[in-house]
Amino acid sequence: QQQVKQSPQSLIVQKGGISIINCAYENTAFDYFPWYQQFPGKGPALLIAIRPDVSEKKEGRFTISFNKSAKQFSLHIMDSQPGDSATYFCAARTTRGNQFYFGTGTSLTVIP
Amino acid sequence: SAVISQKPSRDICQRGTSLTIQCQVDSQVTMMFWYRQQPGQSLTLIATANQGSEATYESGFVIDKFPISRPNLTFSTLTVSNMSPEDSSIYLCSVGTSGSRELFFGEGSRLTVL
Repeated sequence: QQQVKQSPQSLIVQKGGISIINCAYENTAFDYFPWYQQFPGKGPALLIAIRPDVSEKKEGRFTISFNKSAKQFSLHIMDSQPGDSATYFCAARTTRGNQFYFGTGTSLTVIP
Repeated sequence: SAVISQKPSRDICQRGTSLTIQCQVDSQVTMMFWYRQQPGQSLTLIATANQGSEATYESGFVIDKFPISRPNLTFSTLTVSNMSPEDSSIYLCSVGTSGSRELFFGEGSRLTVL
């Protein structure tokens, strides 16, 4: 059973456009929601994260929007650049045990 | 953030052999984990490496197939035993520290089994 559902599987965006990736979860025991960025041949790197008591967090061009009642969160990449082309994973962590569950990943391609 | 080094970065192995992957962290960490990432897939937790005791395995993973050691707070190994082509994957070491929710990953070890 997929604890964290992520969509879309792939995304193509023009340079300068907005990339939006969505995730949904069911387990109310999750208390931390990070996004990871992974380039080919590299390990996932923490990009930005949010706690459920906050509805939005922004770091540069990257914003997480969090809807606790809907159990959904999304990553917005503003002014998308070709260098943003990578695979993005959302994740959720359980309150106990520090166990992380990952979404299935979104392959983002930003076209120059 | 912790700096995590994995060895080997990649390897090609024959069916039936075993390979040990090493994970070295530049600082003492509370938690160390091993993940598997199959081609084009998400990350699946194999086990939590416990310092000085047996690892805690997730459903579908067993110690005989994936023995793990963690002799201290900065080092762990994962062995993939009796390999088959289905074991071809990227194996990732990750770490977390007490008091922080963050999880950091190594660069991964890309294993191809022929």
